[in-house]
Amino acid sequence: DAGVIQSPRHEVTEMGQEVTLRCKPISGHNSLFWYRQTMMRGLELLIYFNNNVPIDDSGMPEDRFSAKMPNASFSTLKIQPSEPRDSAVYFCASSLIGGPYEQYFGPGTRLTVT
Amino acid sequence: GDSVTQMEGPVTLSEEAFLTINCTYTATGYPSLFWYVQYPGEGLQLLLKATKADDKGSNKGFEATYRKETTSFHLEKGSVQVSDSAVYFCALSDRTGNQFYFGTGTSLTVIP
Repeated sequence: DAGVIQSPRHEVTEMGQEVTLRCKPISGHNSLFWYRQTMMRGLELLIYFNNNVPIDDSGMPEDRFSAKMPNASFSTLKIQPSEPRDSAVYFCASSLIGGPYEQYFGPGTRLTVT
Repeated sequence: GDSVTQMEGPVTLSEEAFLTINCTYTATGYPSLFWYVQYPGEGLQLLLKATKADDKGSNKGFEATYRKETTSFHLEKGSVQVSDSAVYFCALSDRTGNQFYFGTGTSLTVIP
């Protein structure tokens, strides 16, 4: 299996621009998680989906952040407009529902907002 | 609510030294426990897990035992290698797997 796929791996953008991060979960997995990792705050859960439905988005920092999962094999995390404090590594992870099953992480997208 | 607490880092050891990274948890019910490892520039990878009390998870020479009486899941390795240098995360999951809680991570550096 190819594992969780994220794109792009690196993104550099200017403040105010829209940023879209993409994730393809492991085939057959029906739970998807978006995390953000920074030195200051560690690993934070932003949102997770079960069967393409957002279940808990309480970790989404602001209305500038939005996430979608239009089908079982694709999810996006969008930041509009981006700000320098959004600079972080964003991870996508997938799992099976009905666990407890481990989460499988993608390689992450390193976002730099200047 | 549920949570995990792991020892502060960074930890620096010489090659072949014994490693312990402490992890304790707070949970209602009967959680599952995990250790993940993150190598530089990569995502987190599952290192080992235990799903019930007294279970021992093991992988690549690392071990951790699910201790319900002390609510702990300490990570140990008898002889570390330079290639073990990474950040280690303790994690807890409720029985549904929907609620996953990560510790803050412990950075390990192994010097030759």
